[in-house]
Amino acid sequence: GAVVSQHPSRVICKSGTSVKIECRSLDFQATTMFWYRQFPKQSLMLMATSNEGSKATYEQGVEKDKFLINHASLTLSTLTVTSAHPEDSSFYICSASRFSTDTQYFGPGTRLTVL
Amino acid sequence: AQTVTQSQPEMSVQEAETVTLSCTYDTSESDYYLFWYKQPPSRQMILVIRQEAYKQQNATENRFSVNFQKAAKSFSLKISDSQLGDAAMYFCAYRSEFTQGAQKLVFGQGTRLTINP
Repeated sequence: GAVVSQHPSRVICKSGTSVKIECRSLDFQATTMFWYRQFPKQSLMLMATSNEGSKATYEQGVEKDKFLINHASLTLSTLTVTSAHPEDSSFYICSASRFSTDTQYFGPGTRLTVL
Repeated sequence: AQTVTQSQPEMSVQEAETVTLSCTYDTSESDYYLFWYKQPPSRQMILVIRQEAYKQQNATENRFSVNFQKAAKSFSLKISDSQLGDAAMYFCAYRSEFTQGAQKLVFGQGTRLTINP
């Protein structure tokens, strides 16, 4: 149980385009989903926390207009990287939890490459 | 703000031996959770073990156990009978219990574990 999927697993796009990444909880309802960014050989950096039906809470230094997060249902959250640039290239990971004291379950990640 | 420190960037161990990964954290809270996550080359984050701060008993999961020293703010992971599949990056993480944004995980820098056959 507690499986989280991400789609796509890899995406390559041209500079200036927008890219949408989906995060789904497959066998449970997630009240909260999280979006992380991970640079090579580094730890995970939390970008934002999203609760179903509410606006996402962004961490300091993360541009909310650049990284649009939508959590429209209890099983789906999306991260849209708008007007992507090469410096946005990274590994993006989502996680989900069922309730406030629950463990976070992670998706397999999405590698974004912006040319 | 809470911080998590993993002072060992890399560790290696012979297959079937035991290895201990270190983690220390800084917090003024009394109630919190601690986690060890494993990230193999596939980069899928996998929960290894979880410890509630109010529990004095150390958590164990098969070959994985922790040494939780609350007063010292230390949370080390012991892997017994190491297997080749244990090779991965290991992250220690902290989560608050009651403060605003309590679900946020604070990660350490990670320890890369190599298993030598």
